Amino acid sequence: QVQLQQSGAELAKPGSSVKISCKASGYTFTSYDISWIKQTTGQGLEYIGYINTGSGGTYYNEKFKGKATLTVDKSSSTAFMQLSSLTPEDTAVYYCARRWYYFDYWGQGVMVTVSS
Amino acid sequence: DIRMTQSPASLSASLGETVNIECLASEDIYSDLAWYQQKPGKSPQLLIYNANSLQNGVPSRFSGSGSGTQYSLKINSLQSEDVATYFCQQYNNYRTFGGGTKLELK
Repeated sequence: QVQLQQSGAELAKPGSSVKISCKASGYTFTSYDISWIKQTTGQGLEYIGYINTGSGGTYYNEKFKGKATLTVDKSSSTAFMQLSSLTPEDTAVYYCARRWYYFDYWGQGVMVTVSS
Repeated sequence: DIRMTQSPASLSASLGETVNIECLASEDIYSDLAWYQQKPGKSPQLLIYNANSLQNGVPSRFSGSGSGTQYSLKINSLQSEDVATYFCQQYNNYRTFGGGTKLELK
């Protein structure tokens, strides 16, 4: 069965970076793009961008350019998102999801907390 | 960006009742719309895509309809396991989500 397994919760200091992972199983990894979505209580769900798992090509929501960097390791069927220059506004749950238009499978989410 | 406005923000209904949730887009999205269900502490799950196509494994009591800027999710014969927050999402122009509708049992 299709699964997207994300890495564990992160506690980070302002100004630092975190890199979270999303390991796919149960399907051909390079046949589907991986998208990343941010969820907060205040802003709801926001689309960050996606990566073409075959070519490594990326698209970013304008709001997240310079904040998020998406990469992929085809050998391990894993997608990564690095968040840089963290501020308290980056505190959220971050999901990876399969596909780039609607999202048919989601990871369990990673809670990133930014606090000094 | 296309704005997605959901209504109501919260809803209380009885078991067996029919529930309708609305989603209004700020411009025509040509049926490029999905609906998701999110239970507390869980990730969202896809219910409907292309405005009215039922995702595999989703109970047939869920249905979607609409066109242009106006869309709706209908839940027939409400079950206790349907208590959740529901989100719409457009994918016609970039990707944006509605603010969510929290469904509770009366």
